[in-house]
Amino acid sequence: KNEVEQSPQNLTAQEGEFITINCSYSVGISALHWLQQHPGGGIVSLFMLSSGKKKHGRLIATINIQEKHSSLHITASHPRDSAVYICAVRGDSNYQLIWGAGTKLIIKP
Amino acid sequence: NAGVTQTPKFQVLKTGQSMTLQCAQDMNHEYMSWYRQDPGMGLRLIHYSVGAGITDQGEVPNGYNVSRSTTEDFPLRLLSAAPSQTSVYFCASSFGLAGYNEQFFGPGTRLTVL
Repeated sequence: KNEVEQSPQNLTAQEGEFITINCSYSVGISALHWLQQHPGGGIVSLFMLSSGKKKHGRLIATINIQEKHSSLHITASHPRDSAVYICAVRGDSNYQLIWGAGTKLIIKP
Repeated sequence: NAGVTQTPKFQVLKTGQSMTLQCAQDMNHEYMSWYRQDPGMGLRLIHYSVGAGITDQGEVPNGYNVSRSTTEDFPLRLLSAAPSQTSVYFCASSFGLAGYNEQFFGPGTRLTVL
């Protein structure tokens, strides 16, 4: 079993829908990262969080440390949000990141 | 600032050939790392460096060498390419340790080994 699991693996939605991508992990962590990989391949960091909630534009990331779960929400989704969204965690005992396999999101106009 | 640059963007090698993937950053970041990305899997750490002259192995180091003679450059060498090394390779840098800081990624190198 992978230490970081993302769901769903693939998600197709219509423009304007509210999107939720989930990340569950099995290790103790001190931080969780969300990243976006564009269709062209480039990877950019979206959020780093260790508790609560962060918001940037239409993106919201939440984390529940007790339940070992994080969600990434996209409000008013747009075709330009189509990308792979990747979750990664920093374990308590190891400063290296443990990576999820990613969720491929397609937003149809 | 150019950020993190990688060359080449694409490369095809024959089994047994060697090559160097180049990575450079202009943000004065101490921490640099190399990942490979394979379908259906998360990024896997190959090697990393916490500063000039200091490198260490990641999760999948076999078949790869690195060096860090300057803060800016962190080349990845494939010693004798194998088909199992067909992958997309990403270089990343951060101000401090990867897990504690935002990482900046290069555009990637798509490598095919025949």
